[in-house]
Amino acid sequence: GENVEQHPSTLSVQEGDSAVIKCTYSDSASNYFPWYKQELGKGPQLIIDIRSNVGEKKDQRIAVTLNKTAKHFSLHITETQPEDSAVYFCAASLGTYKYIFGTGTRLKVLA
Amino acid sequence: DAGVIQSPRHEVTEMGQEVTLRCKPISGHDYLFWYRQTMMRGLELLIYFNNNVPIDDSGMPEDRFSAKMPNASFSTLKIQPSEPRDSAVYFCASSFSGQLLGEQYFGPGTRLTVT
Repeated sequence: GENVEQHPSTLSVQEGDSAVIKCTYSDSASNYFPWYKQELGKGPQLIIDIRSNVGEKKDQRIAVTLNKTAKHFSLHITETQPEDSAVYFCAASLGTYKYIFGTGTRLKVLA
Repeated sequence: DAGVIQSPRHEVTEMGQEVTLRCKPISGHDYLFWYRQTMMRGLELLIYFNNNVPIDDSGMPEDRFSAKMPNASFSTLKIQPSEPRDSAVYFCASSFSGQLLGEQYFGPGTRLTVT
């Protein structure tokens, strides 16, 4: 079946450093790739997304890159802050309104 | 907007009991999704609705699970009878078809514990 692989499962960085989370998807028809941040006890929150006709998108300290040929996409967080500590999920679309999620990355930003 | 609302936030029940989880989507959204999150399996889509009609229930694990959406502002996920392996966090999410990308907005979840 279709799947999304996400790496690493845990990531610790020093405050101010950058963090990169990578995902690989299997369905070549996927055309929408959202990233969600989940804080303890809360639901996932959409933080950035990218469509397949775009290679990179940036929003302040967060950026996402997409390589459709390789079926890879990545989340980049620069100048990390303690409040960035959370679990991050990537997802790939199956059709317009259905997603398949990655397994999550627990990011810890050390002060 | 209040966002997606789910109730209860926590539910503890004994094996064999019926459990009903509730969701109110964002007003105006015409897609509603039910997900289950566990450590072992991550976030799994159980079922989703469009305009109150179930579109894809292929993720519903067993006949013990059922979902309804009687109107545009309310949906339920029912487990009968419940089993300990149903313990998980259940999320409801909604989306608006008028958005090009189909962004989904999640509720805070219901943490279900079946003893």
